[in-house]
Amino acid sequence: DQQVKQNSPSLSVQEGRISILNCDYTNSMFDYFLWYKKYPAEGPTFLISISSIKDKNEDGRFTVFLNKSAKHLSLHIVPSQPGDSAVYFCAARLTGNQFYFGTGTSLTVIP
Amino acid sequence: DAMVIQNPRYQVTQFGKPVTLSCSQTLNHNVMYWYQQKSSQAPKLLFHYYDKDFNNEADTPDNFQSRRPNTSFCFLDIRSPGLGDAAMYLCATSRDTLAGGSRDTQYFGPGTRLTVL
Repeated sequence: DQQVKQNSPSLSVQEGRISILNCDYTNSMFDYFLWYKKYPAEGPTFLISISSIKDKNEDGRFTVFLNKSAKHLSLHIVPSQPGDSAVYFCAARLTGNQFYFGTGTSLTVIP
Repeated sequence: DAMVIQNPRYQVTQFGKPVTLSCSQTLNHNVMYWYQQKSSQAPKLLFHYYDKDFNNEADTPDNFQSRRPNTSFCFLDIRSPGLGDAAMYLCATSRDTLAGGSRDTQYFGPGTRLTVL
């Protein structure tokens, strides 16, 4: 049973425009949410996170929004750059060092 | 500077032949994780160590075992690999996320791709 879902396997965006990646979850006990970025032949690398007590966290071009009532979070990248082309994973944490990942969204930023 | 190292990057084994994947870290993190990721699927947590305390996920098959002889190293043993065990195996580390902090995150190795013939 997939507790974290990324329903869009892929997304293409023009350079300079906004990229919006979405993630839904089912477990209301998740207390922390993270986004990871993955290039081919590399492991995922941490991008940005948000605590369940917040609704927004911003870091440079990256902003994560959390809507707890909808059990939905999104990652906004503005402006998108070709180097942002990668697979993005959404992850959620239960206390006790348990992490659950989505299936990933492959982002392509077109120059 | 490599922080989480996985060896080998590619591993081929035969059906039923035991195989061991290794992971080492230079971060001195007390938590180490093993994930299995099959094609187009989410990474799935198999188990994790908090220091020497082993925590197995409920649905991890008995075929998968792990050892952590010290802080730096963690091994994944697959006792009798089946065709369905072919996957990418990711090792990750973190501080104890219960300790709090602004960045409770995991650092991943590059993965070991396991092929079962």
